[in-house]
Amino acid sequence: DADVTQTPRNRITKTGKRIMLECSQTKGHDRMYWYRQDPGLGLRLIYYSFDVKDINKGEISDGYSVSRQAQAKFSLSLESAIPNQTALYFCATGSSRTDTQYFGPGTRLTVL
Amino acid sequence: GDSVTQMEGPVTLSEEAFLTINCTYTATGYPSLFWYVQYPGEGLQLLLKATKADDKGSNKGFEATYRKETTSFHLEKGSVQVSDSAVYFCALSLIQGAQKLVFGQGTRLTINP
Repeated sequence: DADVTQTPRNRITKTGKRIMLECSQTKGHDRMYWYRQDPGLGLRLIYYSFDVKDINKGEISDGYSVSRQAQAKFSLSLESAIPNQTALYFCATGSSRTDTQYFGPGTRLTVL
Repeated sequence: GDSVTQMEGPVTLSEEAFLTINCTYTATGYPSLFWYVQYPGEGLQLLLKATKADDKGSNKGFEATYRKETTSFHLEKGSVQVSDSAVYFCALSLIQGAQKLVFGQGTRLTINP
């Protein structure tokens, strides 16, 4: 079984809709991250969380919100989706004991 | 701010060719450096890393050496295979603070038989 799972894997939605992307991990890591990937831009950090009570904005947090429901779960919400939020979204986990991050398989989101 | 610049892609090579993908960085402090690989339809996975100057990371025939004097971490492989076709990302993480990864833009590599 995968250590980091994301649901859904693909989603098509319309402008103005609220969307939630979910991430779960079985690695026992305390840190979780959300990134978006756009062609030619690499991955950019949206939000990150060091534990359930610690949420931090990344470099591109506008238009997004997150919830850390438990150590193993970290959700990303788009309150009112817009077309330029069309991208591939990755969740990642990490530990305070290492600087390596472990990525989920990604969610491809299309906003029409 | 901290940044990573990678060699422009896409890169196309024949099987058994020598591969170099250039990566340079700008950072305050002393970052750890990484190469991540993304195979088609999959998430990123760590390929190799180095945590201090002159360290060499290696895995699956790939190597990269942390060069502080040139702020570089170039990825090399002596003989590539079709299965190496993927997108490669160079990244840095500052040891102090939030351990956030800063990625380069990625280099798409295609290996032809």
